[in-house]
Amino acid sequence: DSGVTQTPKHLITATGQRVTLRCSPRSGDLSVYWYQQSLDQGLQFLIQYYNGEERAKGNILERFSAQQFPDLHSELNLSSLELGDSALYFCASSVAPTFTYEQYFGPGTRLTVT
Amino acid sequence: EDKVVQSPLSLVVHEGDTVTLNCSYEVTNFRSLLWYKQEKKAPTFLFMLTSSGIEKKSGRLSSILDKKELFSILNITATQTGDSAVYLCAGSGSEKLVFGKGTKLTVNP
Repeated sequence: DSGVTQTPKHLITATGQRVTLRCSPRSGDLSVYWYQQSLDQGLQFLIQYYNGEERAKGNILERFSAQQFPDLHSELNLSSLELGDSALYFCASSVAPTFTYEQYFGPGTRLTVT
Repeated sequence: EDKVVQSPLSLVVHEGDTVTLNCSYEVTNFRSLLWYKQEKKAPTFLFMLTSSGIEKKSGRLSSILDKKELFSILNITATQTGDSAVYLCAGSGSEKLVFGKGTKLTVNP
């Protein structure tokens, strides 16, 4: 158990809908990272927050957004969902703001868009 | 464009064999190379390498980085069935972590 929690574990929704994925980092970690893992693309970095502020942006679509709250939990919002958004979404946390530190991954949320 | 390429994509060995997994990278403002193990769930951290030529070891696993050739290897000696997993390599830059697609290792008894 990494100490990072994600909810829900599974999510099934229809195209065009909007969903929110939630992540709580390990105690003491200030950085939260979101990743998307699909069979064809592998693990892709989406976005990072550090202590409530957006720190880095990766391959995140404009239909997706995220935020980190004062209690450091984070939410990833996915809207106007398409079939291709079906994937495993991981949240990871680390103590530092940079990518050079070990990241601890949560168990993931499996999103299925039908 | 930043990229990390792992080879082979899959590997099947017998228990007791030694395997070498390869990772080449091109990452802007490269800072470190990380290895993760993924067993049907979340990736778990194995190693972080920042300096060339210094081997990191953890039990039967070891890894080394060559910053001149932009390359890293992960060695697993005396493999066990519990080593079966996807091994991910990632290169970190100043504002991103770029993952390879992984090497799927299957260790048969």
